Amino acid sequence: AQTVTQSQPEMSVQEAETVTLSCTYDTSENNYYLFWYKQPPSRQMILVIRQEAYKQQNATENRFSVNFQKAAKSFSLKISDSQLGDTAMYFCAFMKHVASGGSNYKLTFGKGTLLTVNP
Amino acid sequence: SQTIHQWPATLVQPVGSPLSLECTVEGTSNPNLYWYRQAAGRGLQLLFYSVGIGQISSEVPQNLSASRPQDRQFILSSKKLLLSDSGFYLCAWKGVGNTIYFGEGSWLTVV
Repeated sequence: AQTVTQSQPEMSVQEAETVTLSCTYDTSENNYYLFWYKQPPSRQMILVIRQEAYKQQNATENRFSVNFQKAAKSFSLKISDSQLGDTAMYFCAFMKHVASGGSNYKLTFGKGTLLTVNP
Repeated sequence: SQTIHQWPATLVQPVGSPLSLECTVEGTSNPNLYWYRQAAGRGLQLLFYSVGIGQISSEVPQNLSASRPQDRQFILSSKKLLLSDSGFYLCAWKGVGNTIYFGEGSWLTVV
């Protein structure tokens, strides 16, 4: 079974600074997907960024980027120019790739990191 | 565009009462659908997933059940709620690129 570990229960950062959230995972699979989701106080789960394991290039979405280290099974999220609206719980998630025609796509989540952006 | 909605947004139910949470997806056909639960201060736990009408897979033994009576409708139910069923329930669907998208969530408090 796959496991996802987020070793930082809480983090804080000053507005406009950069912060990195850590995530490691354990799997025997070679093809898979990794995600970061953001859950603000509204509790809505919002996709932040997505990475396919077969792609060596790190994914980026505006101020959000990842450092994907497949051999080390590490998938950290970097938030640049932090904004007050970035305050939220951040979840790292893993999805195993299923061969064409399969349907068993399931997300396994870490326990989350609560990020607070201070003014 | 695809959208997902679930309701009710909040629910306070007495122990032993029934439960029905409903989720619908628009703008897509035959999606994979999921029910997750988030207990206070914890991550998300997959409860059920469905790959088609009438097809339900359960991830953990529990007091809850799920049904998919229509292609884009997914219902989470219980005949008799327990205190431990309290939590935040999220419906989700699998979209383009095998990405899971979530609904707004439903707060359930069992008293």
